[in-house]
Amino acid sequence: AQTVTQSQPEMSVQEAETVTLSCTYDTSESNYYLFWYKQPPSRQMILVIRQEAYKQQNATENRFSVNFQKAAKSFSLKISDSQLGDTAMYFCAFMSVTGNQFYFGTGTSLTVIP
Amino acid sequence: GAVVSQHPSRVICKSGTSVKIECRSLDFQATTMFWYRQFPKKSLMLMATSNEGSKATYEQGVEKDKFLINHASLTLSTLTVTSAHPEDSSFYICSARLQGVYGYTFGSGTRLTVV
Repeated sequence: AQTVTQSQPEMSVQEAETVTLSCTYDTSESNYYLFWYKQPPSRQMILVIRQEAYKQQNATENRFSVNFQKAAKSFSLKISDSQLGDTAMYFCAFMSVTGNQFYFGTGTSLTVIP
Repeated sequence: GAVVSQHPSRVICKSGTSVKIECRSLDFQATTMFWYRQFPKKSLMLMATSNEGSKATYEQGVEKDKFLINHASLTLSTLTVTSAHPEDSSFYICSARLQGVYGYTFGSGTRLTVV
């Protein structure tokens, strides 16, 4: 079974600063997808970034980037130039390429301080 | 982009009654939809997977007679909480798989409160 662990229940960052959210996972599969989802107070789940395990290059989306360490089974999210709108719950998630079920971590509540 | 519309966003019902939650894919056909439950400050837990025209597949520990899922068309899946009890109070979220790509979109969720 796949497990996803987010060891930081809460984090805060000053506006315009950089913050890194941690995520580790456990799987016996060699190919899979990893995701970061954002859930703001509206509770709408929003995809932040996605990484295919077979790609060595780290995914980036504007101010968001990941540090994907496959051997270490680590998938951290870096948010640069933090904005107030980044305040949200962030979930790391795993999905096998052969399945269609998300395995979510327990989430990290991020607060951006003005 | 692909949108899943989920209704109602909030519902309060009396204990013992049934509540139906709808998820509609607005601009695409969703052959597969997923229903999640989220407890306060907790992660999303998959309850069941529904495929259009067939019976839903429930995760271990989820009572299929209490949480009835119907996916009668390619654009509509419903979750009915039957004989609701206060412990069923939670946040329910649906998700649809987009055809042809490993993309998923989520509904905006339903806050169910059973009193």
